[in-house]
Parts: sequence; structure tokens; C-alpha cells
Amino acid sequence: KAGVTQTPRYLIKTRGQQVTLSCSPISGHRSVSWYQQTPGQGLQFLFEYFSETQRNKGNFPGRFSGRQFSNSRSEMNVSTLELGDSALYLCASSLPSADTQYFGPGTRLTVL
Amino acid sequence: GENVEQHPSTLSVQEGDSAVIKCTYSDSASNYFPWYKQELGKGPQLIIDIRSNVGEKKDQRIAVTLNKTAKHFSLHITETQPEDSAVYFCAASMRPGNTPLVFGKGTRLSVIA
Repeated sequence: KAGVTQTPRYLIKTRGQQVTLSCSPISGHRSVSWYQQTPGQGLQFLFEYFSETQRNKGNFPGRFSGRQFSNSRSEMNVSTLELGDSALYLCASSLPSADTQYFGPGTRLTVL
Repeated sequence: GENVEQHPSTLSVQEGDSAVIKCTYSDSASNYFPWYKQELGKGPQLIIDIRSNVGEKKDQRIAVTLNKTAKHFSLHITETQPEDSAVYFCAASMRPGNTPLVFGKGTRLSVIA
């Protein structure tokens, strides 16, 4: 069974631009969570989607948004990029009501 | 909300020795405690997890212990090998439900051959 896939793997953007990241969960997984990983703050929860609905949201500004499609694929968008948004963005999927989250390889975003 | 503290931040051991990483959590409602291993350029990979109704769980060279009273849980790796070198993260959450995983800051383990 294929794992969680994320595209693109690397992105370079400049301040003020916006970016969209994509995540395809493991087949059959309907819950998708997004995390931001930085050296200083570690892994921080962004939001979780289940059946196209946002179930939970972390403490990030409104510039960070996401959505989930009917096939469970998810996208996250960051608008008006800031230097501090440079990070590894990780997507994790899980079965409904299951404990275990499986992570993808991440998208490395660099903001110049 | 939940807060997870992880120690040490770095750990070096000789090949064949044991490694222990410790975490504490703040929310007594948390009942699910996974451990992830992250290698360079990869996403975190689940290596073992434990639920609050269990005190200890083993999987070959890896074990996790949980002390609910003290709100401590630990990862034990025995007979360490160079391929165990990676960053290890502990996490806590309340499951089932949609509460997110709260992660510790990570431990960089180096196994010296």
C-alpha cells in the first residue's frame, strides 16, 4: 500500500507570495492533519480535516488555510508569505477514529 | 492545553549500548503516546505507541514505559546500532477523538560505531 505522498517536495518563494501544498493520504484514510516543523518550535499542529470538514485548528494566523476534497486529498495554502514561514510542512493521515497517524515526507518551503 | 517536555535534546551512545529518552506530559486526560523516528530528509515514522491502559510495551529492541501517576513515559532502545541514529519525537494526545498530537522537541540520537 502506498504511503502518504506530498507535492511538491521543495519550494522556494519570496515574501508576499502565496503557496499551495498538496497531500494524498494512504488509501482508505479519511483524516488528514497538517503540521509545521521548524528547528525552533518543533512540530506544531496546523489543522485536521475529515470528510471535507475541518475538525480542529491549531494556533496559526488566518494566512494558513486548508481544504479537503471528496477523495480525501488535502491542500494547504499560505498567503502573504513571511520569512518565518520557512519550514517543513508535514501531512499525516489516519483511519477514521484510529489513533495512529502516518506521515508523509513533507514539503520543504523556503521563503526568501 | 497539553504540553510535552522531552529530554535529553541530544544523546550519544556507543554501538551496542542502551539509549533512554524521557518525556513528561501535562494533561492527565491524554491517553495515547506514540514515538516517532525521523531520519534526515524524511517524515516522522511511527516506531511504537502505548495507550494509558498499558504500563509497558515491547517490540524487539524497542520498549516504551508509561507512568500515568507521574505523567512520564520513556523510550528504551537496547543493543543500539548505527542505523538507530536519527531524531526521536514523543507525542501525546487524547484518542479517540480529534485532539491533535502534541510533540516533544525531539532527541537527536547518535550511535557511535
